[in-house]
Amino acid sequence: NAGVMQNPRHLVRRRGQEARLRCSPMKGHSHVYWYRQLPEEGLKFMVYLQKENIIDESGMPKERFSAEFPKEGPSILRIQQVVRGDSAAYFCASSPTGGPQEQYFGPGTRLTVT
Amino acid sequence: AQSVTQPDIHITVSEGASLELRCNYSYGATPYLFWYVQSPGQGLQLLLKYFSGDTLVQGIKGFEAEFKRSQSSFNLRKPSVHWSDAAEYFCAVVSSGNTGKLIFGQGTTLQVKP
Repeated sequence: NAGVMQNPRHLVRRRGQEARLRCSPMKGHSHVYWYRQLPEEGLKFMVYLQKENIIDESGMPKERFSAEFPKEGPSILRIQQVVRGDSAAYFCASSPTGGPQEQYFGPGTRLTVT
Repeated sequence: AQSVTQPDIHITVSEGASLELRCNYSYGATPYLFWYVQSPGQGLQLLLKYFSGDTLVQGIKGFEAEFKRSQSSFNLRKPSVHWSDAAEYFCAVVSSGNTGKLIFGQGTTLQVKP
């Protein structure tokens, strides 16, 4: 059973470009969480999605960031018009159901904005 | 507001020595608590979790943690550290509400001396 997959593992974007980060949850998991790890900081929750629904986006910046988890295909975290402050590691985690339980983390996408 | 505090940013121990990493949480009800480990450039791996029951929890790789409600603590221990334990360790609590999102501490970086 493959784990949580994220791609790309590393992404370099120039300021003003768009970044698309993909997350394929573990087989059988329909709940996805995105977290951001800024340099020298812990992980911060961004958004929680179920298939075709955003359940909690309380951690998402108000502008330029969006997320989706379509019926088919991976979850996508999209950052428009990236700025240097977006440079971070973005982790996706999945679980079979919502609520308090173990989340399985992917290897992360390390975004560098030049 | 809920929070997790890991008072030690960096810890260095000698190989074979015992280890204790501290974690304090702020949460009104019975918390759901986790310890994750992150090796450089990697995702997070679950070491152990506490949901209820026995307050001494056994995990993988010889780690254990003890939940102490009176001290709002969930400290991670290992009796004899191996060089391969060098990594960053995160304590996390499930946020209130029913989404299951995690609140992480800042992390503790463990260095192991030969």
